[in-house]
Amino acid sequence: QKEVEQDPGPLSVPEGAIVSLNCTYSNSAFQYFMWYRQYSRKGPELLMYTYSSGNKEDGRFTAQVDKSSKYISLFIRDSQPSDSATYLCAMNTNAGKSTFGDGTTLTVKP
Amino acid sequence: KAGVTQTPRYLIKTRGQQVTLSCSPISGHRSVSWYQQTPGQGLQFLFEYFSETQRNKGNFPGRFSGRQFSNSRSEMNVSTLELGDSALYLCASSPAINTGYNEQFFGPGTRLTVL
Repeated sequence: QKEVEQDPGPLSVPEGAIVSLNCTYSNSAFQYFMWYRQYSRKGPELLMYTYSSGNKEDGRFTAQVDKSSKYISLFIRDSQPSDSATYLCAMNTNAGKSTFGDGTTLTVKP
Repeated sequence: KAGVTQTPRYLIKTRGQQVTLSCSPISGHRSVSWYQQTPGQGLQFLFEYFSETQRNKGNFPGRFSGRQFSNSRSEMNVSTLELGDSALYLCASSPAINTGYNEQFFGPGTRLTVL
């Protein structure tokens, strides 16, 4: 079993919808939780980073971490066609090595 | 500030050959990590170099190796290529000034196809 499991998708939503992307993990040592966005033919870019449990908001994006359930989520409000991409969750221990989910491909249709 | 650059962007090789990929990190970044990305396995960590020393290593066979130079530029080498090595190879650089978490900045990747 993988240390990080990500809802596989693909996900297709109409413009303006709320999108929920989710990952679960098994390693209790994970302390840092990230969401990356990867457009086609590009490398991943960091969207949001959170430390420990709680919520973090940045514009239309909200990252949520529940360490007791070993579950993290990324919510996208008022989704736009430009949000169409693959979203990757990633997690770090204090040793600094990142473990990634397999990614969820999102398509937002105008 | 210029981003992470990787060369070449695309590469076609045949089984049994070897290949060297290059990564130039963001100026001032001392850590370079390499990842393999495939549709079936997702993004998998290969290794990390910091100040010319390998600091972390993933679960890949010894055919995969790397090095870092004094200017922080890094190369990775894959010997005796197999069909399954076809993938997007991503390099990420980081300032590595904190313990635990340091933001990684990814390059565009090198698309390797093994025939």
